[in-house]
Amino acid sequence: KQEVTQIPAALSVPEGENLVLNCSFTDSAIYNLQWFRQDPGKGLTSLLLIQSSQREQTSGRLNASLDKSSGRSTLYIAASQPGDSATYLCAPYAGKSTFGDGTTLTVKP
Amino acid sequence: EAQVTQNPRYLITVTGKKLTVTCSQNMNHEYMSWYRQDPGLGLRQIYYSMNVEVTDKGDVPEGYKVSRKEKRNFPLILESPSPNQTSLYFCASTDRVNSPLHFGNGTRLTVT
Repeated sequence: KQEVTQIPAALSVPEGENLVLNCSFTDSAIYNLQWFRQDPGKGLTSLLLIQSSQREQTSGRLNASLDKSSGRSTLYIAASQPGDSATYLCAPYAGKSTFGDGTTLTVKP
Repeated sequence: EAQVTQNPRYLITVTGKKLTVTCSQNMNHEYMSWYRQDPGLGLRQIYYSMNVEVTDKGDVPEGYKVSRKEKRNFPLILESPSPNQTSLYFCASTDRVNSPLHFGNGTRLTVT
């Protein structure tokens, strides 16, 4: 059974900092891994999807990497802004998506 | 606008009173799924559907039913709700394995 761990559970940083969110998973036989953003009381918004054959994906200030063999993915956020404050979840897909508990990010002005 | 629409957004009901949460997507996606999100337990899959008339159990299917009579709709049915089904529910869809999963805005259900 796939288990997903996200570290840290919460993170508070001043505006402008670069930061890294970590995701580890136990079953490396995945097709892809997706990073999501969830705002309070809202649904999940897809940020990036990395296929198993890829090492990284970039979208604007976001960069996600995938090391399938070691069961790890990271989400790098450059030049953080208060609007980035949200919970970030990762979800490896191996026939179904398994979600981590997320990292709650607070970016202070 | 491409979207997954859930209704209602909020629902308060009493134990045993049957209810249906609707989910509709306008992206012609084949795959649809229901999740519940609970503090400390994360997002857990209830049921999913690979296509019309094809549904399968997820991790926590007990107490729920689904149907997929047409491609765009995937309702979640609670025949006899109980307080332990109080949760935040999400519907999601995608068109194939390596495409992003699209989520609805959620339905917050309270069963008293």
